[in-house]
Amino acid sequence: DTGVSQDPRHKITKRGQNVTFRCDPISEHNRLYWYRQTLGQGPEFLTYFQNEAQLEKSRLLSDRFSAERPKGSFSTLEIQRTEQGDSAMYLCASSSTEGTEAFFGQGTRLTVV
Amino acid sequence: GQNIDQPTEMTATEGAIVQINCTYQTSGFNGLFWYQQHAGEAPTFLSYNVLDGLEEKGRFSSFLSRSKGYSYLLLKELQMKDSASYLCAVRDRKQAGTALIFGKGTTLSVSS
Repeated sequence: DTGVSQDPRHKITKRGQNVTFRCDPISEHNRLYWYRQTLGQGPEFLTYFQNEAQLEKSRLLSDRFSAERPKGSFSTLEIQRTEQGDSAMYLCASSSTEGTEAFFGQGTRLTVV
Repeated sequence: GQNIDQPTEMTATEGAIVQINCTYQTSGFNGLFWYQQHAGEAPTFLSYNVLDGLEEKGRFSSFLSRSKGYSYLLLKELQMKDSASYLCAVRDRKQAGTALIFGKGTTLSVSS
């Protein structure tokens, strides 16, 4: 396992379409995080899973966003009825225990046109 | 990262030392992290402080003062490859549980 992987790396979609991103964390990591990053800003926390349970959700996560981690391994983030403001880099990170660093994936860059 | 402040940009020359400051406000502090992020790439972990004091790791050191809500990242013997954004992040149990809250990042430009 070489690290956190995300797919796709880039996604261009028309406004109003639905998109889904996938994240495969480091295999032994039970904690998984989704962040969103726009140009010139630091990553903003969206949601957190411990195994298959979604334990935390940011106020940033509107009703159009949903995330799953069905078997406690990979995770998906879906955005419904995309808006231009959703254009950003979506980063996934995983960690093994609290107090240790989180390892980030390369991200999925979403452009809504 | 509205509760985390760090300078937007810094410049330095090769071989020099640079200190990037970070101040934060939390109600449930549980650790401070520094990450490096090159343009278009994922953030990579540099350091972690949970107790007051200095943590040294090669050319990079990080300092924490919990009473002052203050940290700095010290980069020595700067190299061109150190040109990147440096992100200060805190873990605040009362804001986001185990997730990290990031500052906006400091863009460091190293010139020859």
